[in-house]
Amino acid sequence: AQTVTQSQPEMSVQEAETVTLSCTYDTSESDYYLFWYKQPPSRQMILVIRQEAYKQQNATENRFSVNFQKAAKSFSLKISDSQLGDAAMYFCASLYGGSQGNLIFGKGTKLSVKP
Amino acid sequence: DAGVIQSPRHEVTEMGQEVTLRCKPISGHNSLFWYRQTMMRGLELLIYFNNNVPIDDSGMPEDRFSAKMPNASFSTLKIQPSEPRDSAVYFCASSLGYYNEQFFGPGTRLTVL
Repeated sequence: AQTVTQSQPEMSVQEAETVTLSCTYDTSESDYYLFWYKQPPSRQMILVIRQEAYKQQNATENRFSVNFQKAAKSFSLKISDSQLGDAAMYFCASLYGGSQGNLIFGKGTKLSVKP
Repeated sequence: DAGVIQSPRHEVTEMGQEVTLRCKPISGHNSLFWYRQTMMRGLELLIYFNNNVPIDDSGMPEDRFSAKMPNASFSTLKIQPSEPRDSAVYFCASSLGYYNEQFFGPGTRLTVL
């Protein structure tokens, strides 16, 4: 079975500092996609960043970037210049070529941002 | 774009009652997904449709759950009869094709007493 593991149930960061959230996945597929979603207290699931497995270059979206280590099956999210509005649950998710749309989610990491 | 629309946002019902959750996907998206989120099990895919056709319903927990998509702009998830263990947040998401990012609705928080 495909799995996604987030080993940090909770993380904390000081405002304006940088934090890295960890994610590992397990697959034998060669064609897959990886995502980070943010879920603030409003419950809305918001896509933060996306990475295609065939791309070697790490994806970046403004203050958010990933460290994609394909051989290690690792997909961490780095948030730079953390802001109070970044406080939320963060979910790592994978989508495999053979899954026909089945997103597999990790259990999530709750990020707190201290002023 | 209004995004994915779900209704109701909150539903409180009594055990044994029928519950219907509704979803309007983003216009032009051809894949629609229903998820359930609980503290114990996290986010689970219940069922998804492609071009209005159910593709995989292996995540539907029991025969009490059913989902329909009569057209490209509307889907329902029905629970009949509802039970307290069905209490959860139910999300609908849509995407353009299987392998593109899924856009989530705001969710429906269901409480079954």
